[in-house]
Amino acid sequence: TQLLEQSPQFLSIQEGENLTVYCNSSSVFSSLQWYRQEPGEGPVLLVTVVTGGEVKKLKRLTFQFGDARKDSSLHITAAQPGDTGLYLCAEPRGAGGGADGLTFGKGTHLIIQP
Amino acid sequence: SQTIHQWPATLVQPVGSPLSLECTVEGTSNPNLYWYRQAAGRGLQLLFYSVGIGQISSEVPQNLSASRPQDRQFILSSKKLLLSDSGFYLCAWSHFVRAEAFFGQGTRLTVV
Repeated sequence: TQLLEQSPQFLSIQEGENLTVYCNSSSVFSSLQWYRQEPGEGPVLLVTVVTGGEVKKLKRLTFQFGDARKDSSLHITAAQPGDTGLYLCAEPRGAGGGADGLTFGKGTHLIIQP
Repeated sequence: SQTIHQWPATLVQPVGSPLSLECTVEGTSNPNLYWYRQAAGRGLQLLFYSVGIGQISSEVPQNLSASRPQDRQFILSSKKLLLSDSGFYLCAWSHFVRAEAFFGQGTRLTVV
């Protein structure tokens, strides 16, 4: 089982600022998913990236998959208090195409201060 | 649309007592089902997964067990809780051939 390292662990910025968080591994990802989790709730899927170099946008969120598929980043433009939460990256386990569940990173705790 | 229900939302149980957490999925058939535990500083840890009725795979040796008596029902159990069983338990489902997971609201379990 490969380890997913997320950085930074904690990030607190002012509303309107831009930020980038990262997910890295020493091995190649088969695919990568990003989730956001709010306190007391389950994670919610934001995006899946599959192809090296892929860029996906979700409103003010931009997700990038590294060319070598060993890293990914999430960039938020003009952060808002509603972006506050725990951002998790995850990779499918094993070769079961996803049936075997996911391996998660420990996440980045993001706080956007008004 | 598909929905996942998990209950209860919070639970406080004494050490040595039994546990039963239930999860049901609606709006899909033959889902893959999962139990994860989230403890402070340790991230989400996969506990059990199931690809069909009666089929359970355990990932971490522990004081817990899981069962899938119906296609869209997944149950997490323990005969005797330990203090170390405290945590945030999350049920999730995925499509049979897709990896993306859809999570329930979670159960905050505190063993005292």
